[in-house]
Amino acid sequence: GESVGLHLPTLSVQEGDNSIINCAYSNSASDYFIWYKQESGKGPQFIIDIRSNMDKRQGQRVTVLLNKTVKHLSLQIAATQPGDSAVYFCAEIKQAGGGNKLTFGTGTQLKVEL
Amino acid sequence: EPEVTQTPSHQVTQMGQEVILRCVPISNHLYFYWYRQILGQKVEFLVSFYNNEISEKSEIFDDQFSVERPDGSNFTLKIRSTKLEDSAMYFCASSLSTDTQYFGPGTRLTVL
Repeated sequence: GESVGLHLPTLSVQEGDNSIINCAYSNSASDYFIWYKQESGKGPQFIIDIRSNMDKRQGQRVTVLLNKTVKHLSLQIAATQPGDSAVYFCAEIKQAGGGNKLTFGTGTQLKVEL
Repeated sequence: EPEVTQTPSHQVTQMGQEVILRCVPISNHLYFYWYRQILGQKVEFLVSFYNNEISEKSEIFDDQFSVERPDGSNFTLKIRSTKLEDSAMYFCASSLSTDTQYFGPGTRLTVL
């Protein structure tokens, strides 16, 4: 069945270092992947997205890599800052069918140490 | 920057009571969604809504749940007879097309 899972539940990094958050997915039919950041008590905040026909996309300080061969998604955050501390979720969409439901993974807690 | 808004931020209700959670999606968006997140767990899909009808719903979204877009700006989730296990954060989301969904801040529902 469908599943989106994260390899590490907690990731601790030093301020200024780069962070890499990983995600495995099992539904090869997914069209679209999104990374969300969720701070305590708030809703998921869009970070970056990537379509299944791409393998890399860059944003401001963030890069998403998609490896369809091994069904792996990663989020790289450059020069991690204290404000990056949050739970990070990957989510996938299978757009065919009209529902466009997001299937979320369980999340990785990123802790930035000063 | 446009954003999704939700009211109330916290709703406390007695078991068996009806609650209505309200959302104002981003104004030019066409697709609307409700998700929920039980404390400490991942976000779960409830329902999607497009062109004034439900396009997909999950197993969680049973007969006790309904959604409505009563006017051009609001999108509501009604739970007719709340149960203890309905206690969760409820997030509304909207999207312009079938890709990136933008989430509101959530409503914390507590059923006593």
